[in-house]
Order: sequence, then C-alpha cells, then structure tokens
Amino acid sequence: DQQVKQNSPSLSVQEGRISILNCDYTNSMFDYFLWYKKYPAEGPTFLISISSIKDKNEDGRFTVFLNKSAKHLSLHIVPSQPGDSAVYFCAASPQGGRKLIWGLGTSLAVNP
Amino acid sequence: DTEVTQTPKHLVMGMTNKKSLKCEQHMGHRAMYWYKQKAKKPPELMFVYSYEKLSINESVPSRFSPECPNSSLLNLHLHALQPEDSALYLCASSQGTRRQFFGPGTRLTVL
Repeated sequence: DQQVKQNSPSLSVQEGRISILNCDYTNSMFDYFLWYKKYPAEGPTFLISISSIKDKNEDGRFTVFLNKSAKHLSLHIVPSQPGDSAVYFCAASPQGGRKLIWGLGTSLAVNP
Repeated sequence: DTEVTQTPKHLVMGMTNKKSLKCEQHMGHRAMYWYKQKAKKPPELMFVYSYEKLSINESVPSRFSPECPNSSLLNLHLHALQPEDSALYLCASSQGTRRQFFGPGTRLTVL
C-alpha cells in the first residue's frame, strides 16, 4: 500500500512559468517531509523539506506547502528553468522513524 | 565537506564474480544507508547502519553483504548476483533520520 502518493507521473511546463508538483500521504504519523530531485544515472539531490509544525517553507525559487488536514503537500518552482527538468520525489519520515517513505516520482519537463 | 563518494562509478560482473562497492562520507554522520534504484522508480532501501551497527535489513538476499568498517566507510559485498540485480546502487548518510545525503551511485550490470 503506497503511503506516499505522487499521482502525476509527468508534468510539462513552459520556461518561466510556475511548476506545481503534488504529493499526498496517508499516514498521520509522518511529521517531516522532503523533496528530492533526481537526474538520470545520478543520486537524488535534496531540494527542500518541511516539518509538520509548519505549513510553508521557502528556499529561493522553491516553496513547499503542507496541508495537514488534507494530508497533502506541494512543491512550487517559480520561475521554472530548463535545468529543473528531472524526476522529483516526495518522501516522508514518521516521528521517531529510521526510514524515508518515498513516492513514485513525477517527471518534470521544462520547455524553453 | 558535504559529499558522499562512491566507487566504482560503473561495474560489470558475471554471476560467479565477487565484487565490492564502497562508500565514504566525512560529514560526521552516524547513519549510513544502502539503496537500490531501478529506472524511473524511487530508491528502495536495503540496509541501514546506525553508529556502525546494522539496524535495518530490508529482507535483502544474502548475496548482498554490507559492512561498516568505521563511521566514515560503508561497503557492500556482492557475490553470485543475478541479472535482475542490475541497478543503480546508492549510498546515503544522515545525521539523524531525516535529511539523507546521497552519493552519485554505482551503476551495476550483472551478465
């Protein structure tokens, strides 16, 4: 049973526009969420995270929003750049847990 | 130094070979991880070492044998692998259990 769901396998956006990647989770014990970016044949790169005590965290062009009541988080990239084209994974960590629970990823293509 | 290094970058081995993957970090992290990743899938956790002791083994076949010689090094010994074991093998480290830093991976091909 997928506890972290990324329902859009792919997303295509024009350069300069906003990219919005979504993630839903089912486990109320998750209290920390992370987004990783991955290029082919490379290791995932940490992008941004958010604790469940917050509803927003911002780092440059990247903002993550958390809606605990809906068990939903989203990653906003503004403005999108061609170099942002990659697979984005949402991951969650339960309180006191030792593992990350991963979504299946969303492949983002930013077109020039 | 915020880097996790892995060697080799690529490895091709036969089903009867014995080989090892190596991982190193100098961030003082006390947790280290081995993951396996197939194309277009999320990383799949294999092993977790915490303070140099194996704390999680995700029911990985015994043909994969992890070793943590010290707090900076992590090895994965491979023996009698199958072609379906071909994948990108990722090492990661973390201070707690939250943000994990990943290495570039070893692309393994089993013939």
